[in-house]
Amino acid sequence: GENVGLHLPTLSVQEGDNSIINCAYSNSASDYFIWYKQESGKGPQFIIDIRSNMDKRQGQRVTVLLNKTVKHLSLQIAATQPGDSAVYFCAEILTQGGSEKLVFGKGTKLTVNP
Amino acid sequence: DAGVIQSPRHEVTEMGQEVTLRCKPISGHDYLFWYRQTMMRGLELLIYFNNNVPIDDSGMPEDRFSAKMPNASFSTLKIQPSEPRDSAVYFCASSRRTVGYTFGSGTRLTVV
Repeated sequence: GENVGLHLPTLSVQEGDNSIINCAYSNSASDYFIWYKQESGKGPQFIIDIRSNMDKRQGQRVTVLLNKTVKHLSLQIAATQPGDSAVYFCAEILTQGGSEKLVFGKGTKLTVNP
Repeated sequence: DAGVIQSPRHEVTEMGQEVTLRCKPISGHDYLFWYRQTMMRGLELLIYFNNNVPIDDSGMPEDRFSAKMPNASFSTLKIQPSEPRDSAVYFCASSRRTVGYTFGSGTRLTVV
């Protein structure tokens, strides 16, 4: 079935530390994954994506790792800043009948302590 | 581009009333998604459209919920009659195929 879940519901780090947020998915047919950041009172904001033919992708201060063997995604944030405090969601694209839908995990709340 | 535009930002209504939420997707996007977010259930996909055609409405909780997309630049999500358990934040998102999934700011619905 469709299931995108998170190992850790909350994560607290010190400013300047690196953060790692994890996500497990169960649909081995999924071939595209996205990480979103959601700040209080706002809609989810795209951070970075990765396709199943890759195992790593880097952005500005963020890196996404994909391990298809164990169906695991992680988001690494380098030098975490107070502005990174938010809820982070992983999402997978499920293809059905030639169309696609975006399915979200539960989310992890990241708190950055100054 | 102004992004995905949702209205209203906040809606408070009495139980039993009809509620209509509106969404204007990003121009050129051919997918439109409606999500509901609650603390208990997270972000749930309700329905999505491709080229204005509903593709999957399996997430719509009950017949009280309906969604339309009369043209490429407008969609509505209607709840009739509304109930307190419908209280949530409703998000609209749009995309081109496999790229650019962009969310609106959401409508916070409170049914009293």
